[in-house]
Amino acid sequence: AQSVTQLGSHVSVSEGALVLLRCNYSSSVPPYLFWYVQYPNQGLQLLLKYTSAATLVKGINGFEAEFKKSETSFHLTKPSAHMSDAAEYFCAVSSPGGQAGTALIFGKGTTLSVSS
Amino acid sequence: DSGVTQTPKHLITATGQRVTLRCSPRSGDLSVYWYQQSLDQGLQFLIHYYNGEERAKGNILERFSAQQFPDLHSELNLSSLELGDSALYFCASSFDRSGYNEQFFGPGTRLTVL
Repeated sequence: AQSVTQLGSHVSVSEGALVLLRCNYSSSVPPYLFWYVQYPNQGLQLLLKYTSAATLVKGINGFEAEFKKSETSFHLTKPSAHMSDAAEYFCAVSSPGGQAGTALIFGKGTTLSVSS
Repeated sequence: DSGVTQTPKHLITATGQRVTLRCSPRSGDLSVYWYQQSLDQGLQFLIHYYNGEERAKGNILERFSAQQFPDLHSELNLSSLELGDSALYFCASSFDRSGYNEQFFGPGTRLTVL
């Protein structure tokens, strides 16, 4: 069965600092990997996705993530944090052919706080 | 705006009652997924429909059921409600069932069971 582990339920950074949100996955079949962001009282918005093309994926708002098969990781980074990045971030895996089909299996989420 | 609409936005009801949540996918999307978000369980997949047919089930209780209609809108029915069913329910739509394409999420329905 697929699963996602997000290390750190809460990450705090200063404005302009590097953002690193960690995600490790488990999947018995080749996965698709996603990062979503959720702002308060809103739905989820896709930041970026990995679907077996380039291992370094660039997304919206300056975020990027690198798929590392040997480490089963898909960490999210942004070189310089902005106050508007404060939100909850979810890593998700989809494993077509797996038990849940193409549904997203989410991690517990990481709340990012940005201070001035 | 993702293009996915959900109604109602808020729902307050009592234990033992039955409610129906509605989702209209983006124009052209054939897949509808339902998810539940709660503080203790996080975001959990409930069920997936593609072009009117059930494709996969996740952690959906037997008291819950769903369907997708010919016009592709979907309804999630929750019955014999318990306090623990209080949560935010999202639907998401996608163009197909490949998993390759993005899932677009609606704004959610917040269910409160008193």
